[in-house]
Amino acid sequence: AQSVAQPEDQVNVAEGNPLTVKCTYSVSGNPYLFWYVQYPNRGLQFLLKYITGDNLVKGSYGFEAEFNKSQTSFHLKKPSALVSDSALYFCAVRGADGLTFGKGTHLIIQP
Amino acid sequence: ETGVTQTPRHLVMGMTNKKSLKCEQHLGHNAMYWYKQSAKKPLELMFVYSLEERVENNSVPSRFSPECPNSSHLFLHLHTLQPEDSALYLCASSQNADRLHEAFFGQGTRLTVV
Repeated sequence: AQSVAQPEDQVNVAEGNPLTVKCTYSVSGNPYLFWYVQYPNRGLQFLLKYITGDNLVKGSYGFEAEFNKSQTSFHLKKPSALVSDSALYFCAVRGADGLTFGKGTHLIIQP
Repeated sequence: ETGVTQTPRHLVMGMTNKKSLKCEQHLGHNAMYWYKQSAKKPLELMFVYSLEERVENNSVPSRFSPECPNSSHLFLHLHTLQPEDSALYLCASSQNADRLHEAFFGQGTRLTVV
């Protein structure tokens, strides 16, 4: 069965610093990988996806994610964090079992 | 706004009540979904509708009953729920069921079962 692990419940970063939100996955075949963001009192919003091609994928709001096949990881990154980036972030993988989400990571950006 | 609207935003119901959640989209999408979001747990896909037909039911208890009267509306009928059913219920839609990963999500209904 496919699965997604987000090992950190919460990540705290100072504004202006780089941020990383970790995600590892397990799936049969080629992975299709996704990141979503959920702001308070809002539904999920699609941020970016990896299907094929360059391992570094760029998405909305200045976020990017790096696909690493050997480490089965798809970490979300941003060079300089903003307070407005504070939200809940979900990693997901699509495989034969459909779309499977991780538990989510709360990202808190401190002024 | 994502184009997917859910009502009500908050709902408190007793275990013997019957209530319904409503989802509406006017994006021209052909697929609609219900998800359950519980604290510190992965999002759980409950139901998938494609062209108004249910194509997926992920072992959801019968006390949850979905209805898709047309491609723009999706309901989740609730009956004799348990306190552990308290969660955020998210509706989503996508162009078709193959584009599930690019779904637009509603803001959710926060359900509390007392």
